Amino acid sequence: RKEVEQDPGPFNVPEGATVAFNCTYSNSASQSFFWYRQDCRKEPKLLMSVYSSGNEDGRFTAQLNRASQYISLLIRDSKLSDSATYLCVVNRGANAGKSTFGDGTTLTVKP
Amino acid sequence: ETGVTQSPTHLIKTRGQQVTLRCSSQSGHNTVSWYQQALGQGPQFIFQYYREEENGRGNFPPRFSGLQFPNYSSELNVNALELDDSALYLCASSSGTGIELFFGSGTQLSVL
Repeated sequence: RKEVEQDPGPFNVPEGATVAFNCTYSNSASQSFFWYRQDCRKEPKLLMSVYSSGNEDGRFTAQLNRASQYISLLIRDSKLSDSATYLCVVNRGANAGKSTFGDGTTLTVKP
Repeated sequence: ETGVTQSPTHLIKTRGQQVTLRCSSQSGHNTVSWYQQALGQGPQFIFQYYREEENGRGNFPPRFSGLQFPNYSSELNVNALELDDSALYLCASSSGTGIELFFGSGTQLSVL
């Protein structure tokens, strides 16, 4: 079993749709959590950090449930430019460089 | 642009050969991490360098080795290449306390 698991998708949604991605992690000692975005075979880029209290950045909302070891990302009012692979990332400590990535969930937003 | 540069962008090698990949970290970042990303998978942590010393290693064999230089740039060396080493190799820099990884655009390695 992988340490970080994601539904690979693909998710194909129309513009304006709301879509939710889920991620589970197996190491209960994990301390920090993130969502990264990766466009086709380009470098991953940080989308947002994830906190137990939940956090929102415009159309994006991330949530962490430590008890269930579950992370989510909600995208509202999807845009064509949201088409990408979304990587769930978990870290056991404060060292960002030793992160564990999920295999990603692919989103395609269609007109 | 992240300020992290990698070279070369593409490389083709044959089984058994050796390869060196290079990375220049973002200005002010003293930590460099290397990741391997196979097609359809997420990046996998290979190792990290901090102040010229290896500072943690993932589940990769010893034929994967690295260096970090005084200017914090780094090299990844892979000996005795295998077909399964074909992947996108990503370098990421970070500061000692930062939570964000800044990735270079990667080196696409193909082993034939």
